[in-house]
Amino acid sequence: DQQVKQNSPSLSVQEGRISILNCDYTNSMFDYFLWYKKYPAEGPTFLISISSIKDKNEDGRFTVFLNKSAKHLSLHIVPSQPGDSAVYFCAATLDSNYQLIWGAGTKLIIKP
Amino acid sequence: DTGVSQNPRHKITKRGQNVTFRCDPISEHNRLYWYRQTLGQGPEFLTYFQNEAQLEKSRLLSDRFSAERPKGSFSTLEIQRTEQGDSAMYLCASSPPENEQFFGPGTRLTVL
Repeated sequence: DQQVKQNSPSLSVQEGRISILNCDYTNSMFDYFLWYKKYPAEGPTFLISISSIKDKNEDGRFTVFLNKSAKHLSLHIVPSQPGDSAVYFCAATLDSNYQLIWGAGTKLIIKP
Repeated sequence: DTGVSQNPRHKITKRGQNVTFRCDPISEHNRLYWYRQTLGQGPEFLTYFQNEAQLEKSRLLSDRFSAERPKGSFSTLEIQRTEQGDSAMYLCASSPPENEQFFGPGTRLTVL
């Protein structure tokens, strides 16, 4: 039972354009959502998060949108840069961020 | 303190052997987590410590797995009688209360 789903295994975007990574969830009780970025041979690195009481959070080039009625969130990266090429994981939590439930990840490739 | 560290980075062992991994969290973080990640999947939660107390264990953590955090600082994860299905990346993370988790680089285990 996959509670957090990232349906696109990979995404290819031209440098300078917008990258949109999507994530769907099934558990309406999730109260906090996070995006992590992972390079090969490294652990995941926190990018940005959003509480379920908000619908948007922005940090520099990264914006996360939350649509609770659709149980959907997305990460927008504008403009995309070559260093953004990595695997992006969406994660959710029920209680105080202690147990993260993760999607399978989307590999983002930024083309020069 | 430069972040969460894990040792060893790679471990190759024969089926049936015992292995032990170490995690050193960021020093001021009282929460410590262990996750397991297999290829093409997001990390799966294994267990969680608050200081030296192990507060949660996933059903994924069979009797062959044991984790300790004796003084509320570093943690060890031991797998007894390893099986080929134990081959995975084992990730450790730490956090202060109510905050995002910071991950180490992981220990990649290969069971032959």
